Amino acid sequence: DAKTTQPPSMDCAEGRAANLPCNHSTISGNEYVYWYRQIHSQGPQYIIHGLKNNETNEMASLIITEDRKSSTLILPHATLRDTAVYYCIVRVHSGGGADGLTFGKGTHLIIQP
Amino acid sequence: ETGVTQSPTHLIKTRGQQVTLRCSSQSGHNTVSWYQQALGQGPQFIFQYYREEENGRGNFPPRFSGLQFPNYSSELNVNALELDDSALYLCASSSFLAGLGGEQYFGPGTRLTVT
Repeated sequence: DAKTTQPPSMDCAEGRAANLPCNHSTISGNEYVYWYRQIHSQGPQYIIHGLKNNETNEMASLIITEDRKSSTLILPHATLRDTAVYYCIVRVHSGGGADGLTFGKGTHLIIQP
Repeated sequence: ETGVTQSPTHLIKTRGQQVTLRCSSQSGHNTVSWYQQALGQGPQFIFQYYREEENGRGNFPPRFSGLQFPNYSSELNVNALELDDSALYLCASSSFLAGLGGEQYFGPGTRLTVT
């Protein structure tokens, strides 16, 4: 799986949009971008994933650049409960045995009141 | 909440002992993965079970073993515990195809402390 680079920490004011960047410059054509978050002392939570088109669900939007070398996760109206570590993961959809998710250190997003 | 449950919540063991952790997967999911998360690190993949067999494994020694039962629940067994095994152990369930992708649903974890 391609390597990802994320800032170690970010702050965002409550009610504003939180934009979390992820660099994956070595991504290959069949690799998807996944986002998870982990609130303190809980298990990771799946947020969203995409291949090349922008995606939106009830939690967030995922914007992938045209060259697919970077992406941005957008939380449109951040609340204090969005304070968490956010992980960007790039992986191919395996046709054989599973190799699990590869988590890096992620971005610690702190929502300020 | 994901519907994935794990037991126990916390556990303290002594070095050299054996431990069994349990996981019940979300309804409709047939695949279970286990992860180890040391303090301050991201989760590390241990192995995955599908159809009661190990379907993939990360870089963990054989003293980490598992089982999956016909109802898709799973156990993680760790023998000869070492101090470095102290961590949060996470179980994640998925449907098989979604899990080969990356959409997995995690439980709250079991905090294991080895003294």
